[in-house]
Amino acid sequence: GAGVSQSPSNKVTEKGKDVELRCDPISGHTALYWYRQSLGQGLEFLIYFQGNSAPDKSGLPSDRFSAERTGGSVSTLTIQRTQQEDSAVYLCASSLANRGINSPLHFGNGTRLTVT
Amino acid sequence: AQSVTQLGSHVSVSEGALVLLRCNYSSSVPPYLFWYVQYPNQGLQLLLKYTTGATLVKGINGFEAEFKKSETSFHLTKPSAHMSDAAEYFCAVKKQTGANNLFFGTGTRLTVIP
Repeated sequence: GAGVSQSPSNKVTEKGKDVELRCDPISGHTALYWYRQSLGQGLEFLIYFQGNSAPDKSGLPSDRFSAERTGGSVSTLTIQRTQQEDSAVYLCASSLANRGINSPLHFGNGTRLTVT
Repeated sequence: AQSVTQLGSHVSVSEGALVLLRCNYSSSVPPYLFWYVQYPNQGLQLLLKYTTGATLVKGINGFEAEFKKSETSFHLTKPSAHMSDAAEYFCAVKKQTGANNLFFGTGTRLTVIP
């Protein structure tokens, strides 16, 4: 079946512009995660959605970052007033999440964001 | 809090040689542990995971890892490297209870020399 789909695959934007990154999770997966992969920094957790619960936003680096998940499916990560340090690969993952029960994360191929 | 340390951002091995990628974790409670692999221009794929039970876990492509609680380690090994193993490998940890989000190490890039 279809995996996690992210769009666009590449995005180049000018400093100060807003960008929106999209994630389509695997059908039926109730949990959705955003991570940021910067050179030499590994994967940095950003935000986590689980069903209808309030999202865990503890990883968002600043108030310029926000995310929403409409209808429990598609998610959009928005970065306002982009800065050069926002340049990274933004990865989305989904899982059949039940708290306390291991459920592997399935990752998309990511969106490579370059802020010039 | 959970964290993961991967020693060595780059590891090079000859084709056919042993692969050893190191991972140490810190966690206030017994964790679940994972290894993910990222091939060039692809997303992350789960290699293997430790949850409970047998401490030596086998994954895809001939990889295995051993959970050693006394050493707080979960090193990844493969007896004989293949050219197709060249990729970036990430160790990750999560708590056994609570949210399902993972905390990743900084990754180790494996190069296989022909």
